[in-house]
Amino acid sequence: GQNIDQPTEMTATEGAIVQINCTYQTSGFNGLFWYQQHAGEAPTFLSYNVLDGLEEKGRFSSFLSRSKGYSYLLLKELQMKDSASYLCAVRGGYTGGFKTIFGAGTRLFVKA
Amino acid sequence: GAGVSQSPSNKVTEKGKDVELRCDPISGHTALYWYRQSLGQGLEFLIYFQGNSAPDKSGLPSDRFSAERTGGSVSTLTIQRTQQEDSAVYLCASSSGGYNEQFFGPGTRLTVL
Repeated sequence: GQNIDQPTEMTATEGAIVQINCTYQTSGFNGLFWYQQHAGEAPTFLSYNVLDGLEEKGRFSSFLSRSKGYSYLLLKELQMKDSASYLCAVRGGYTGGFKTIFGAGTRLFVKA
Repeated sequence: GAGVSQSPSNKVTEKGKDVELRCDPISGHTALYWYRQSLGQGLEFLIYFQGNSAPDKSGLPSDRFSAERTGGSVSTLTIQRTQQEDSAVYLCASSSGGYNEQFFGPGTRLTVL
């Protein structure tokens, strides 16, 4: 079967660093995505990893370990506007029809 | 250019009625996805179109749900004999290829009374 796990909620302080973890078990693997979703809005793309290692983009970084079925999203210099849900999504392989499966999301609360 | 658009933005219907939800993807995008999101929940995959290939319908929850994509562009998701548990936000997304990031539309909020 296919499964993506991430924490339900996290709280962090403005200016701090937070790491949101994601573990996955899928039928094949063809890339992992992170999306941000503010309440009442559609998800927007943050990052994409297909090879092991760290991808950095401004205040956001995403890490992937394919052998461990593990990824994390790192948010630095947290701002109040970063309060949102963060969705981990994995694109499966041929046997899974190449479709993208989303995790339930991690709701991040940034406090002053 | 224009992003993904969906219509209607809100739909209230009575139990047992049929509804049609429309998605206009970004021009030139070959991949189109439908998801369902209940309040406070993650995205539930429904169906995936990629080019001229047969769609992946493995996420459709029952045979009351169907979708088509005409001319490789606009897609319609149809729910027959709606039930209260069908109430959710239905999101459409498109991408320039199956490997690429998805761009989401604003969603259709469906309420079944």
